This record gives sequence, structure tokens and C-alpha cells, in this order.
Amino acid sequence: EAGVAQSPRYKIIEKRQSVAFWCNPISGHATLYWYQQILGQGPKLLIQFQNNGVVDDSQLPKDRFSAERLKGVDSTLKIQPAKLEDSAVYLCASSFPDRVGEQYFGPGTRLTVT
Amino acid sequence: AQSVTQLDSHVSVSEGTPVLLRCNYSSSYSPSLFWYVQHPNKGLQLLLKYTSAATLVKGINGFEAEFKKSETSFHLTKPSAHMSDAAEYFCVVIPYNQGGKLIFGQGTELSVKP
Repeated sequence: EAGVAQSPRYKIIEKRQSVAFWCNPISGHATLYWYQQILGQGPKLLIQFQNNGVVDDSQLPKDRFSAERLKGVDSTLKIQPAKLEDSAVYLCASSFPDRVGEQYFGPGTRLTVT
Repeated sequence: AQSVTQLDSHVSVSEGTPVLLRCNYSSSYSPSLFWYVQHPNKGLQLLLKYTSAATLVKGINGFEAEFKKSETSFHLTKPSAHMSDAAEYFCVVIPYNQGGKLIFGQGTELSVKP
């Protein structure tokens, strides 16, 4: 079965620019997650979707970050405007709703903000 | 708040020798605990999970972990390291009653010497 797809794999932008990441989860996985992984740290959950509804966005910096999953499948995560401290790997994961501990992760997008 | 602490940021072993990666958790309730592995340039992958069944949990690639409530530990072990085991390992907890919110430890980098 196909895994979680993410694009782009790498992105370099200047501070104050905007950027968007795309994720396509495993087919049939209703639950989708976006994580931020700063170098040397474990991933931190930014937002969790169940179908096209938000379950948890308590750690999403809503003044600059936004995410959507309009049709309950693909998702996009946007940063506008970017700050230097946003440099990180952004991971997308998906799971079945009743197996939230068993998440399948994509390869991530490495963002560098200069 | 529920959390996990990985006691070593880096562990180095020789090929064929045992592996021990240490993790302590803090939780007022019986937690759900996991180990994930992250190989370079690859997505995070679930190694094993503990969800209050057997205290000794077997995972993929010969890894296992033992849940010890008295010590609040969930250490990851493998009898004999292989070169392909070199990766970053994360101990993960799902806080009680918080759906799919995985809380990751800081990670332990495992190096395997020939």
C-alpha cells in the first residue's frame, strides 16, 4: 500500500515570506496529523484532523500557521509570514480513528528560513 | 502533565552486542506507551506499543520493551545489534483522555560500530 506522501521535500525561504506544505494520507485513514520537528527534538503535534474537522490545534501558532483538510483527504499546512524559528521538519502522519497510537508518517518537509 | 524522559541522548554499541535505550514516563494513569524509530531521510516508524496487556512487548526487527509500573519505565532492548539498527529512537506516550496526541521524548541516537 502507498505510504503518506508529502511535498515538497525541501524548501528554503526568507523570513516574512509564506510557504505551504501538502500531505496525502494513506487511503482510508480518517485521522491526519501535522507535526513540527525542530533539530535535536522530538516531533510536536501542531494540529489533528478527523476527516475534515479539527480535533486538536492547541499548539498551532494561529497568528501565522493555518491548516485545512477540505475534502477529508489531502491537507495543506501554511505559514505566513515565516520566522527564523520556524526552521524545522514538518511531518504529516495518518491513522485509523481507533488506532491513534499507530500513526504512519510521511518523509517530511525540511524548511529552512533565512 | 504526562511526559516521557529518555535518559540518554546518544548510545553507541558494537555490532552483535545488546542494545538498551532507556525511557521513564510520568503519568497518573495507566499510560499507552510506544517506541518509534526514525532512520535518516525516512519517516518515523512504529516499533512497538504497550496498551495495558502483556507487560513485555515484542516489536519489529527483534526489539522488545518491558513496562515496569513500579519503576515508571519502558526501556527498549535488543539482544544483538545490527548495523541497520543505527537510527534515532523515540519513546512516546499518549496522555490519558487526549485522543491521538502523541507526546514524544527527546530521542536517543543509536550508533552501531562494526
